[in-house]
Amino acid sequence: GQNIDQPTEMTATEGAIVQINCTYQTSGFNGLFWYQQHAGEAPTFLSYNVLDGLEEKGRFSSFLSRSKGYSYLLLKELQMKDSASYLCAVTDSNYQLIWGAGTKLIIKP
Amino acid sequence: GAVVSQHPSWVICKSGTSVKIECRSLDFQATTMFWYRQFPKQSLMLMATSNEGSKATYEQGVEKDKFLINHASLTLSTLTVTSAHPEDSSFYICSARDQETGRGGGTEAFFGQGTRLTVV
Repeated sequence: GQNIDQPTEMTATEGAIVQINCTYQTSGFNGLFWYQQHAGEAPTFLSYNVLDGLEEKGRFSSFLSRSKGYSYLLLKELQMKDSASYLCAVTDSNYQLIWGAGTKLIIKP
Repeated sequence: GAVVSQHPSWVICKSGTSVKIECRSLDFQATTMFWYRQFPKQSLMLMATSNEGSKATYEQGVEKDKFLINHASLTLSTLTVTSAHPEDSSFYICSARDQETGRGGGTEAFFGQGTRLTVV
């Protein structure tokens, strides 16, 4: 079956760095997405990785290793507004999005 | 980036009534749109894939006679929750993919704002 695992909840301190991991087992792979979702709102796109390596975009970076079925989202200089759920999603061989359950990130002052 | 507009943002209805939710892609044509349901503290659950000009494809366990989907044009899909019950109360989200190249590889999903449905 298809499976995406990410931690349920993480806590970090304002100004610090946090890494959210995602491992996946899917039938085929056509890219991995990270989305941010604030409570009561729809997800918003953060990053897309289809090749191995690190993609940096401002305070957020995303890493992918296809051979390991592994990705992480790195958030630097954490701000209180970064408190949200972070969803990992993989596009399989049929271009269907397979969603992880999301990681709730709590930022403390 | 591409914009998907979903309406209404929230709705309260009585048990037994029907509610229609609209999803529009504003600056691109979406041959395929997706309808999700999300319960509190849970991830997105795909309900159905809406295909322009043809019948929707429903995920296992989703009642197609209860959740009616119409995708009449390349920019509009509607989800109608018929004979709503309190257990249908949830956050419903639509998404669409811009199939043109250059937008996240043609696979990035753009989401509507979501609709909070409360059935009383």
